[in-house]
Amino acid sequence: SQTIHQWPATLVQPVGSPLSLECTVEGTSNPNLYWYRQAAGRGLQLLFYSVGIGQISSEVPQNLSASRPQDRQFILSSKKLLLSDSGFYLCAWSAGLSYEQYFGPGTRLTVT
Amino acid sequence: QKEVEQNSGPLSVPEGAIASLNCTYSDRVSQSFFWYRQYSGKSPELIMSIYSNGDKEDGRFTAQLNKASQYVSLLIRDSQPSDSATYLCAPLIGDDKIIFGKGTRLHILP
Repeated sequence: SQTIHQWPATLVQPVGSPLSLECTVEGTSNPNLYWYRQAAGRGLQLLFYSVGIGQISSEVPQNLSASRPQDRQFILSSKKLLLSDSGFYLCAWSAGLSYEQYFGPGTRLTVT
Repeated sequence: QKEVEQNSGPLSVPEGAIASLNCTYSDRVSQSFFWYRQYSGKSPELIMSIYSNGDKEDGRFTAQLNKASQYVSLLIRDSQPSDSATYLCAPLIGDDKIIFGKGTRLHILP
């Protein structure tokens, strides 16, 4: 069966500090991978998605970036965090043509 | 017009009754839909997928899609306190992206 991991689970970072969140998927090959953010009281916002190694599509221009160095690894980064970057960051995967997305446990980021 | 609209709730339903959650969408979105359940502080969990017009049943859950009315719904029969959560309607856009509604908060009254 497939499993998706995210870490860390929670993170408190000062404004201006860097960020690196990691997501890995087990039990499947060549998944589509997604990063979402859910701010307090708001809906899920798609940030990035990837259909393969090194292939990243950005949905929202901002100070975040994503990379996919390996088939089942997806990384979300920032060089300098803003207060507005606080939120619940979710990684998701989908396989083939099913389009069904499955979410990891998420990382709750608080920028102070 | 917003692409996906859901009543934010809270929708309060007595235990054992049928909970009905609704979602309307613009005609730009795909005709494939997903329903996710999200408990407070947790990540969304896929509970139903519906790809064609009509009804789809899975246990206590029934998803209904009416393309002509641009309307999709989720029925939960025999509601349980554990069904209390936020339910997200999510249509497929293009070939590989999903957009999410803001969700309806459901509260099952014991």
